[in-house]
Amino acid sequence: GAVVSQHPSWVICKSGTSVKIECRSLDFQATTMFWYRQFPKQSLMLMATSNEGSKATYEQGVEKDKFLINHASLTLSTLTVTSAHPEDSSFYICSARASGRREQYFGPGTRLTVT
Amino acid sequence: QQPVQSPQAVILREGEDAVINCSSSKALYSVHWYRQKHGEAPVFLMILLKGGEQKGHEKISASFNEKKQQSSLYLTASQLSYSGTYFCGTGGLYNFNKFYFGSGTKLNVKP
Repeated sequence: GAVVSQHPSWVICKSGTSVKIECRSLDFQATTMFWYRQFPKQSLMLMATSNEGSKATYEQGVEKDKFLINHASLTLSTLTVTSAHPEDSSFYICSARASGRREQYFGPGTRLTVT
Repeated sequence: QQPVQSPQAVILREGEDAVINCSSSKALYSVHWYRQKHGEAPVFLMILLKGGEQKGHEKISASFNEKKQQSSLYLTASQLSYSGTYFCGTGGLYNFNKFYFGSGTKLNVKP
């Protein structure tokens, strides 16, 4: 149980284009989803949290207009990187948490490379 | 506020023990432990919710010292499969969404 999927696993895009990453909880309802960014050999940095049907809460320093998050249902959240630039290249990981629970279950991550 | 982990890296021989510490300058209300292998997402190991709590699974256990604002992860008789980077994570008392990962401890278990 507690399986989270992410799609795509990796994506290469050109500078200036937008990229959408999907995060799905496959066997439970995720009232909260988290989006993290991880640079090589570093820890995961929380970008934003989203509750189903509500606007996402962004961490300080994360541009809302650049990283658009939509938590449309209890099983799906999307992260859209708009007008991507090479410095946005990173490993993006989502996690999901069920109502009343504290532990998070992570998706396999999406490696974004912006050329 | 990101918790601090120590040590940053550990090299062990198979069968040896290790302890990883996680400490915070702010009050800890819950501590999560995760393991991440290279190129993969973190995998949930366990969560401690109460001061003084200890729990474990097989030969990996953890303790939570609320007063000292720290938690420790104990790996006993380490196996090759234990290799990876271990992260602790801490959350708020009422706001479960305020969650921060520690700096990470890279564990390398050699035959």
